[in-house]
Amino acid sequence: QVQLQESGPELLKSSETLSLICTVSGYSISRDHYWGWIRLPPGKGMEWIGSIYHSGSTYYNPSLKSRVTMSVDTSSNHFSLKLNSVTAAETAMYYCARMGGDYGASSWYFDLWGRGTLVTVSS
Amino acid sequence: QSVLTQPPSVSGAPGQRVTISCTGSGSSIGSGFDVHWYQQVPGTAPILLIFGDNIRPSGVPDRFSASKSGTSASLAITGLQAEDEADYFCQTYDTSLSGWVFGGGTKLTVL
Repeated sequence: QVQLQESGPELLKSSETLSLICTVSGYSISRDHYWGWIRLPPGKGMEWIGSIYHSGSTYYNPSLKSRVTMSVDTSSNHFSLKLNSVTAAETAMYYCARMGGDYGASSWYFDLWGRGTLVTVSS
Repeated sequence: QSVLTQPPSVSGAPGQRVTISCTGSGSSIGSGFDVHWYQQVPGTAPILLIFGDNIRPSGVPDRFSASKSGTSASLAITGLQAEDEADYFCQTYDTSLSGWVFGGGTKLTVL
């Protein structure tokens, strides 16, 4: 059974760097999938943050690209998110997910998700 | 403000049929990109409900179906059950934003 589990500090101060890890169990992240981060601010819709392949190839949301870094550790079977200079508006549930799809990146979807971790940014 | 527009809430009685709309634009759904749907019971991980416009993953009941036309898509749930009470959201790709985008989510209440 494939499971994804987010972990990391749950309380940050404005201007600090958010750092999260997604640990994957039951499935090797070196297989043919991209892995992504998505967040859900309270009262708003989901926002895609970025996606990474085990080779290190990435797609980032252009609106966040200047502040986002994703990395992958195949030996530990996890991937990571760093988002610097966070603000209170970035308080949200942060989810990691596996991406699926048979043809073209534009057709991809998120076929397995973690339960999410609530990150609160205080001003 | 989400890129894809969904009604904040819908409701229906057990056994009834409800639909949830997802409206995009010419750079997203209108460009023919696949639309996908997710179900999320609060406090749990989202579940992929429909992918590729209208394909159900293994294990998803055939009470769930979806369609797409023009710049909009819709999810239909027939034979409503209490366990269907959850949040539903749509997702696709937007070429003008160069990324994957989501709807604002719709809360389904089973009366």
